Amino acid sequence: QSVLTQPPSVSAAPGQKVTISCSGSSSNIGSNYVSWYQQLPGTAPKLLIYDNNKRPSGIPDRFSGSKSGTSATLGITGLQTGDEADYYCGTWDSSLSAGLYVFGTGTKVTVL
Amino acid sequence: QVQLVESGGGLVKPGGSLRLSCAASGFTFSDYYMSWIRQAPGRGLEWVSYISSSGSTIYYADSVKGRFTISRDNAKNSLYLQMNSLRAEDTAVYYCARDGVAFDIWGQGTMVTVSS
Repeated sequence: QSVLTQPPSVSAAPGQKVTISCSGSSSNIGSNYVSWYQQLPGTAPKLLIYDNNKRPSGIPDRFSGSKSGTSATLGITGLQTGDEADYYCGTWDSSLSAGLYVFGTGTKVTVL
Repeated sequence: QVQLVESGGGLVKPGGSLRLSCAASGFTFSDYYMSWIRQAPGRGLEWVSYISSSGSTIYYADSVKGRFTISRDNAKNSLYLQMNSLRAEDTAVYYCARDGVAFDIWGQGTMVTVSS
């Protein structure tokens, strides 16, 4: 059972914006950087955002990340059909009851 | 180019063993920490194990502790996961991932099915 909670699904029309929340606690998001991963159908996950809000080379600025307290948010603007995927947040956790690294429950983005 | 390629997956009976391998290329493998991450069919991502660049520091998820062993051979640019006492709930795609800026490089995954 994941310790990071995400909405199961979000949807919007092409060109619109979606936001995905990731809720954690002081032992994970509250004290560590958050990353976001995109998993297109049938493929391996891909790093989208690291250190809360940084984009790796090649990731368009339509994708953005932020963090406040024990929550993080991924934003996608100018939604495209190619953005249909599952999105996961992830961070390190210092709690003895959790794994060393924890992922969110995952959010499926649907482009209407 | 920078690449990770897993191998070694397959069908195994409950209680059996399997050894996964991950071959790295395109970067200095010995500079990076590495992890194994798995995904059960239709489920989310689960971090499994982590090893430091020298192999001196290792961590496991509670779900695999005592059954799985992570190791690496920097001379061969390879990462391994020895899986013993396998259970049905270990059925998943297993990914190796480079821990650079977060998990910045992932392999394509190898499927492990535990079933009688």
